[in-house]
Amino acid sequence: DAGITQSPRHKVTETGTPVTLRCHQTENHRYMYWYRQDPGHGLRLIHYSYGVKDTDKGEVSDGYSVSRSKTEDFLLTLESATSSQTSVYFCAISESDYGYTFGSGTRLTVV
Amino acid sequence: QQQVKQSPQSLIVQKGGISIINCAYENTAFDYFPWYQQFPGKGPALLIAIRPDVSEKKEGRFTISFNKSAKQFSLHIMDSQPGDSATYFCALTGGGSNYKLTFGKGTLLTVNP
Repeated sequence: DAGITQSPRHKVTETGTPVTLRCHQTENHRYMYWYRQDPGHGLRLIHYSYGVKDTDKGEVSDGYSVSRSKTEDFLLTLESATSSQTSVYFCAISESDYGYTFGSGTRLTVV
Repeated sequence: QQQVKQSPQSLIVQKGGISIINCAYENTAFDYFPWYQQFPGKGPALLIAIRPDVSEKKEGRFTISFNKSAKQFSLHIMDSQPGDSATYFCALTGGGSNYKLTFGKGTLLTVNP
């Protein structure tokens, strides 16, 4: 997707281990978001950022933390992964309310 | 709480038919209503969007109808094609929310040839 990449694309991890997902953009957009997608739940906001070092919680933030030390990078950390965090994670960027650009997603499996 | 309710969960349409997906919302503070299309293995992509000062917006075969008094908006896909088979999400934002989008739960559309 134009100007936004997520890494890794797939990851399998064990319960209790920390995991960090990375979102990188080249669009210089101010706003960045992390969503998780689960069957029957659609897309739910985990955390978002409205500038460097400015972040806030979304509706499903428990067990997750984020950091944004540079405009282009937004990191999502699962502090101690649980099976309920098995999901597809999407990063999105935005400069206005015209709409988001989403990354291709990270499929995370916690075993 | 769920701020936007999307229906149906799944929809099967014959090629050439009309696909209709509906969303209803509860809060009147929203001022932007986009629809996203997602193909398997891909991230959602903006399809079409509307603001509440208009009742309808059309882009090609895709039309959004908006009923502010009823707090409902819908996506119509005319002359549906097999290539339209995807998951569709309605969303909304507004009210000084740092452009946070709240999404419906999605509709899986299958267009049979």
